[in-house]
Amino acid sequence: DTEVTQTPKHLVMGMTNKKSLKCEQHMGHRAMYWYKQKAKKPPELMFVYSYEKLSINESVPSRFSPECPNSSLLNLHLHALQPEDSALYLCASSQNPSASSYNEQFFGPGTRLTVL
Amino acid sequence: QQQVKQSPQSLIVQKGGISIINCAYENTAFDYFPWYQQFPGKGPALLIAIRPDVSEKKEGRFTISFNKSAKQFSLHIMDSQPGDSATYFCAASMNSGYSTLTFGKGTMLLVSP
Repeated sequence: DTEVTQTPKHLVMGMTNKKSLKCEQHMGHRAMYWYKQKAKKPPELMFVYSYEKLSINESVPSRFSPECPNSSLLNLHLHALQPEDSALYLCASSQNPSASSYNEQFFGPGTRLTVL
Repeated sequence: QQQVKQSPQSLIVQKGGISIINCAYENTAFDYFPWYQQFPGKGPALLIAIRPDVSEKKEGRFTISFNKSAKQFSLHIMDSQPGDSATYFCAASMNSGYSTLTFGKGTMLLVSP
């Protein structure tokens, strides 16, 4: 199984809502990532989890709250988002978080988020 | 130092032609260079990747050429097909710290029938 799955595929939420994005992988990967991608732009790294611990937070606003309940799951909790947060949110995983290892990252299909 | 510069921004190629996308980097600590293909509404998919110890890697119709001294690498798509129409991102990753990718800005490829 070389797949990263994400749910939901689409999400529309108001600025006062609380919602969560979910990501799952069963490849035994120990690094998981959240990216944000705006139209016609490359993915922007948000968070990196290494062995279920938050390793990198790229100065993301606190209205985005990541969580890694176990080595296969990654959540992104959303609260009080702004319309400019509308984007494709991508999850990715790699075998090992260390840069000295083979660095192949597998991406999920993404969640298309619209904030009204 | 962290940037990866990608060109062209968009590319139109006739079916059967060769598509060429170029990337350049400054940081010599980069040691892994993947190319990702992304279709609209989908996540990026790893297409092919190279490390600096080789100058070329070929997988099917896709070839990466790597010039370490010039700090440049390129993707060649031979016999381009309409199904290759997508956005292509080059990326680079460093040999220390955590495995994070620095992406180029992307190239929208359209292969005309």
